[in-house]
Amino acid sequence: DQQVKQNSPSLSVQEGRISILNCDYTNSMFDYFLWYKKYPAEGPTFLISISSIKDKNEDGRFTVFLNKSAKHLSLHIVPSQPGDSAVYFCAAPLTNAGGTSYGKLTFGQGTILTVHP
Amino acid sequence: ETGVTQTPRHLVMGMTNKKSLKCEQHLGHNAMYWYKQSAKKPLELMFVYNFKEQTENNSVPSRFSPECPNSSHLFLHLHTLQPEDSALYLCASSPPGLGLHTQYFGPGTRLTVL
Repeated sequence: DQQVKQNSPSLSVQEGRISILNCDYTNSMFDYFLWYKKYPAEGPTFLISISSIKDKNEDGRFTVFLNKSAKHLSLHIVPSQPGDSAVYFCAAPLTNAGGTSYGKLTFGQGTILTVHP
Repeated sequence: ETGVTQTPRHLVMGMTNKKSLKCEQHLGHNAMYWYKQSAKKPLELMFVYNFKEQTENNSVPSRFSPECPNSSHLFLHLHTLQPEDSALYLCASSPPGLGLHTQYFGPGTRLTVL
């Protein structure tokens, strides 16, 4: 059962506009979330993260918003650039019964972002 | 030298072959991971190693056999695979402690099983 879901397989945006990538989760115990970006023929690279004690984290053009009551997070890219075209994954750490994670991440299916010049 | 390297980048093998995937990280990390990404599916965690000890086996079939001789190297030995095992296999590493979830990925090995 997938605990992190990205329901939009793709998103197309004009250069300079805002890109909004969405992610929903089902496990209310998740307390940390990450976004990764993946270019073709490369592995995913870490982009930005957010702890559940916050509802917003910003890093340059990238901002992640967390709505715990809705179990929803979103990644905003402003302004979007053609070089942002990639697959974006949201992820959350899984923990065992004792609350230990050991680095286990569960990923969403990914959203393909295309930014047109 | 890039952070996490994987060889080979592409591999085609028959169902009776035995092959190995190699991963090497130059970041001084202590945790290493194998992931599988099949077409139109999320990344699936296969194995986790912390300080050379396997801490997670995510119900992976025994035809996949990991080996971690030291904190910098990770192997995935493959034998008698099935066509449905064709996928992108990604290796990752991460530092200990609070950085455990910020994982650094290699470029992956594209595996095709005939």
